Amino acid sequence: GAGVSQSPSNKVTEKGKDVELRCDPISGHTALYWYRQSLGQGLEFLIYFQGNSAPDKSGLPSDRFSAERTGGSVSTLTIQRTQQEDSAVYLCASSHRTSYQETQYFGPGTRLLVL
Amino acid sequence: RKEVEQDPGPFNVPEGATVAFNCTYSNSASQSFFWYRQDCRKEPKLLMSVYSSGNEDGRFTAQLNRASQYISLLIRDSKLSDSATYLCVVSRGGGSYIPTFGRGTSLIVHP
Repeated sequence: GAGVSQSPSNKVTEKGKDVELRCDPISGHTALYWYRQSLGQGLEFLIYFQGNSAPDKSGLPSDRFSAERTGGSVSTLTIQRTQQEDSAVYLCASSHRTSYQETQYFGPGTRLLVL
Repeated sequence: RKEVEQDPGPFNVPEGATVAFNCTYSNSASQSFFWYRQDCRKEPKLLMSVYSSGNEDGRFTAQLNRASQYISLLIRDSKLSDSATYLCVVSRGGGSYIPTFGRGTSLIVHP
């Protein structure tokens, strides 16, 4: 079946502009995560959606970052007034919880470059 | 202390070698443990979950030591295609499934 898809695959923007990144999770997966990965760094958790519960936004680095998930499916990560330090790969993952564990399936990511 | 720590490597081994990676975690309440694999400029993919009793999948063996708070990954008979970064992943625990990723251990298998 179809995996997690993300768009755009690459985005170049100018400092100060807003960007929107999209994630289409695997159908039926109730959990959705956003991460970012800077060059040579580990994955940094940003935000987590689980069903209809309030999202866990504890990883968002500043109030310039926000995300929403409409209809329990597609999610959009918005970065306002982008800064050069926002340049990174933004990864989305979805999962379906079974028992006490859940396996995440990642999308290919959006490579963001802020000039 | 970082939540999840890994030796970044790189581990440079010949084909056919056995190589082991360790990962330590700080949160004793963590409940779920995984190894993911990430190829260069690709997304992470699940390699295997790690169970308390230890588990094996072909050439890969994972172990969990809750008392010492570390997990390990053993790769036997290394293949060139095993070259990648191996990410240790630990859930926060305490009812939270949010995972914490280690920065990864780089493995290079050479002919």
